[in-house]
Amino acid sequence: DAKTTQPPSMDCAEGRAANLPCNHSTISGNEYVYWYRQIHSQGPQYIIHGLKNNETNEMASLIITEDRKSSTLILPHATLRDTAVYYCIARSYFGNEKLTFGTGTRLTIIP
Amino acid sequence: GAVVSQHPSRVICKSGTSVKIECRSLDFQATTMFWYRQFPKQSLMLMATSNEGSKATYEQGVEKDKFLINHASLTLSTLTVTSAHPEDSSFYICSARGDRSSYEQFFGPGTRLTVL
Repeated sequence: DAKTTQPPSMDCAEGRAANLPCNHSTISGNEYVYWYRQIHSQGPQYIIHGLKNNETNEMASLIITEDRKSSTLILPHATLRDTAVYYCIARSYFGNEKLTFGTGTRLTIIP
Repeated sequence: GAVVSQHPSRVICKSGTSVKIECRSLDFQATTMFWYRQFPKQSLMLMATSNEGSKATYEQGVEKDKFLINHASLTLSTLTVTSAHPEDSSFYICSARGDRSSYEQFFGPGTRLTVL
């Protein structure tokens, strides 16, 4: 699986959009970009995933650059409950099925 | 999404005892289950992968005789920490994947183990 790089921490004001970047410059053609988050002392929660098109669901939007070397997770209206560690993972849809977690970004929503 | 439960949510035990943690997929059949360990302020580290009815595959550095994994049914996997020591104190998280979940992994809420 391709390695991903994320900033260790970010702050965002409550009610504003939180934009979390992720670099995955070595991603291969069959690797998807997955985002999970982990609220303190809980198991990870799936947010969204995508291959090359932008994706949106009820939780977030995922913007993937045309060259697929980076992506941005957008939480459109951040709330205090969005404070968590966010993990960006590049994983092959086939073959190796393990999710390997990096260090993630600790997002703190400021009241 | 699919629901995965873990039991117990937290356990405190004495050094030298064994502790069993259960992981259940509540509304789907999990052909593959994964066990992770997470130390404070660190990321999740995969310990082992288990497929129903077969032996678990352990990651490098994880002692298979210390962390016994059983995946006897499509809805239940257990992790037994044998002869636990204080350094085994950690947050243990399971996740499950089923054939109809398109390779998505659903995570349990975790079990906090404290060994005195």
